[in-house]
Amino acid sequence: SQQGEEDPQALSIQEGENATMNCSYKTSINNLQWYRQNSGRGLVHLILIRSNEREKHSGRLRVTLDTSKKSSSLLITASRAADTASYFCATGNSGYSTLTFGKGTMLLVSP
Amino acid sequence: DTAVSQTPKYLVTQMGNDKSIKCEQNLGHDTMYWYKQDSKKFLKIMFSYNNKELIINETVPNRFSPKSPDKAHLNLHINSLELGDSAVYFCASSQGGRDRYGYTFGSGTRLTVV
Repeated sequence: SQQGEEDPQALSIQEGENATMNCSYKTSINNLQWYRQNSGRGLVHLILIRSNEREKHSGRLRVTLDTSKKSSSLLITASRAADTASYFCATGNSGYSTLTFGKGTMLLVSP
Repeated sequence: DTAVSQTPKYLVTQMGNDKSIKCEQNLGHDTMYWYKQDSKKFLKIMFSYNNKELIINETVPNRFSPKSPDKAHLNLHINSLELGDSAVYFCASSQGGRDRYGYTFGSGTRLTVV
């Protein structure tokens, strides 16, 4: 069953602006991951945050995790047209299991 | 230097046919996966193999049969194709049979059943 739900479903911004996407999930997790998918391509792993972490940075990406609210956010700062893609959160549980993906947020960055 | 490669990239076939999709990874990962992405971009796990052994088999029709000849390869064979099988199929790999590490995805195989 689906675990993560991204919000918003679609986001349109101008280059240079920041983009924030949210993800909510239902059950306890071991980690939460964010992926990017360009049109017609496979998913690319962006960042992983473990359940005992609250915030993580990677370049222009900042991810937060609030396990009490079962939610995460992905912030892309100073967005570029090349950031146009769909962004998915995926949750990992303890034990032998696979990642469960949300429906994704489509981000459009206009020049 | 493709890390996870799938073939073919596109596959158009008629209902009732049998087809295979191949996947190979050169990352030395020990776990491989097949995901199905529908027209609404929802990704659903189908199978997971760790060191050639099946560890996850979600509710998938038995017309779908994965095969892992070695830990670098995971192929997907589909019998008696149906219209509803049309989707993009992604192969992925990771190190460790658990979900604690990022996955590396192939570029997908777009299957269209007519």
